[in-house]
Amino acid sequence: EIVLTQSPATLSLSPGERATLSCRASQSISTSLAWYQHKPGQAPRLLIYDASTRATGIPARFSGSGSGTDFTLTISSLEPEDLAVYYCQQRSNWPPIFTFGPGTKVEVK
Amino acid sequence: QVTLKESGPALVKPTQTLTLTCTFSGFSLNTPGMRVSWIRQPPGKALEWLARIDWDDERFYTTSLQTRLTISRDTSKDQVVLTMTNMDPVDTATYYCARMSLVLDYFDYWGQGTVVTVSS
Repeated sequence: EIVLTQSPATLSLSPGERATLSCRASQSISTSLAWYQHKPGQAPRLLIYDASTRATGIPARFSGSGSGTDFTLTISSLEPEDLAVYYCQQRSNWPPIFTFGPGTKVEVK
Repeated sequence: QVTLKESGPALVKPTQTLTLTCTFSGFSLNTPGMRVSWIRQPPGKALEWLARIDWDDERFYTTSLQTRLTISRDTSKDQVVLTMTNMDPVDTATYYCARMSLVLDYFDYWGQGTVVTVSS
């Protein structure tokens, strides 16, 4: 089973700063990776899929990159509303298995 | 507009069976390519995918819980039901349902979640 690790566990930045979140897979997953934003009390929201494609309606300040085992979610200029936990998720085609990373909590100072 | 909403008991006793319902709108599970999954999150822990049911009634389960889980659908009511047997306090979690499609093979719409506590 593929394991995802995320770092850092917590990121504390000021508005306007750049946030860089990392996700590492225990074996190559090509670009089969998504990023989700989860705010307290809300449903998780799909931000990025296939490692680098922004989902519908996602602001351009969110971008994803990477392939193989190392992936990055970048928030180019942090907004106060970006306070959330961010999860990466991988999918394997057959059998369908979906695993999530442990999450990175982004705090806005 | 796609929406999903989870419902079920907030409290179950150990050894009981949990039944959760996901009621959705804005899409049909009869449409080729549509899929609905259940995902849970114990307090302070990561998200865990549990099960998926597809438009053609294929069903998939996470290996570690497959003997306890059953996913089913009622297409006339636009509902997906998850049952989990032999509940234990470690199953205390927020349970989410989420949509996937063949075109976008990720969880593109989620419900708000329902909190289930397992306690005697």
